[in-house]
Amino acid sequence: AQSVTQLGSHVSVSEGALVLLRCNYSSSVPPYLFWYVQYPNQGLQLLLKYTTGATLVKGINGFEAEFKKSETSFHLTKPSAHMSDAAEYFCAVSERAQGGSEKLVFGKGMKLTVNP
Amino acid sequence: NAGVTQTPKFQVLKTGQSMTLQCAQDMNHEYMSWYRQDPGMGLRLIHYSVGAGITDQGEVPNGYNVSRSTTEDFPLRLLSAAPSQTSVYFCASRRQIMNTEAFFGQGTRLTVV
Repeated sequence: AQSVTQLGSHVSVSEGALVLLRCNYSSSVPPYLFWYVQYPNQGLQLLLKYTTGATLVKGINGFEAEFKKSETSFHLTKPSAHMSDAAEYFCAVSERAQGGSEKLVFGKGMKLTVNP
Repeated sequence: NAGVTQTPKFQVLKTGQSMTLQCAQDMNHEYMSWYRQDPGMGLRLIHYSVGAGITDQGEVPNGYNVSRSTTEDFPLRLLSAAPSQTSVYFCASRRQIMNTEAFFGQGTRLTVV
């Protein structure tokens, strides 16, 4: 079974500082990788995804992530944090289940705090 | 465009009571799923469905039932609520292709006392 590791549960940055959220996955086949964001008291929404092709993926709100097969990583970055980026971020991988259907497996999430 | 609609938003149950969490989507998505979110645990898959009449278990299915009689609806039933089922529940839908975006409802916050 595939798995997703997000080390730590909280990260705090100053407004204007670099945001780096780490994600490592385990997969024996080329994965589909996703980052979702959850704002307080809301559901999850897609930030960006990697399927095939270019390994640097750009998403909404200035976020981007780079797929590195050799490191089995898909880290999320944003050059300059904004107060509105405060949220919880989830990395996820698509996993082929028995019978050919597919499941989305999530990491444990990372809560981002942005300090003024 | 409503997307994925979950009801209710909040619910308090007594131990042993049963209830159904409702989920409806208007995007004609084949794939629907239920997750529970607990602090420090991320989202864990309870049950999922790849189409009407087809359901399967996820990571934490015990204590929950689902059915899928239509493409639009995917209710989650708690048969006999337990305090361990206190959680936030999310329904999600997407097309049945591995690289597509999942759309989430706003969640149901359930407390079992």
